[in-house]
Amino acid sequence: EAQVTQNPRYLITVTGKKLTVTCSQNMNHEYMSWYRQDPGLGLRQIYYSMNVEVTDKGDVPEGYKVSRKEKRNFPLILESPSPNQTSLYFCASSLAGGSNEQFFGPGTRLTVL
Amino acid sequence: QKEVEQNSGPLSVPEGAIASLNCTYSDRVSQSFFWYRQYSGKSPELIMSIYSNGDKEDGRFTAQLNKASQYVSLLIRDSQPSDSATYLCAVNSGGYQKVTFGTGTKLQVIP
Repeated sequence: EAQVTQNPRYLITVTGKKLTVTCSQNMNHEYMSWYRQDPGLGLRQIYYSMNVEVTDKGDVPEGYKVSRKEKRNFPLILESPSPNQTSLYFCASSLAGGSNEQFFGPGTRLTVL
Repeated sequence: QKEVEQNSGPLSVPEGAIASLNCTYSDRVSQSFFWYRQYSGKSPELIMSIYSNGDKEDGRFTAQLNKASQYVSLLIRDSQPSDSATYLCAVNSGGYQKVTFGTGTKLQVIP
């Protein structure tokens, strides 16, 4: 089954404790992206990647890191999480860029205390 | 600041009516436009994509794009209670690979 998977689905952590949210797709998509969704602010793009070792900032990259060492994986790293990073996070992928349909993962609900 | 704007709603329509959802965008070079549906607690899923001026129909859904006026709309004919969801407008500016989403319009279809 073609899908985007994220882990964990739910995470409660404390300020400053480094964490990684994994994202994997099995559709051989070139483009992958991370979003956060907050009430009243909608979906905001954090980072995106056009291919292996090619990443770029979205609209809200501060406090986040990403890497794309393999085509299928695009982990999101919070090296020192803060409470304002409490949010619902979605990973998405598309065949060949932002001009194509994106397929979304199930989401990761993160709470930073 | 490139923006995509939508009325947050809720937009309430009776079952069987036409629901009209609107979206405006500020970046004139935008080339790709998408409507996603998001049920509460779920991830967004694509409803329609449109790239050229005019109308694009798919079943009960019609997307309309007017690049001169910088708006894109989604019409849902014969609205069903199962259409009740938040509809997200998304815009991409071609070679610029960022995708910008609107805040979404919540649609309620009343049986």
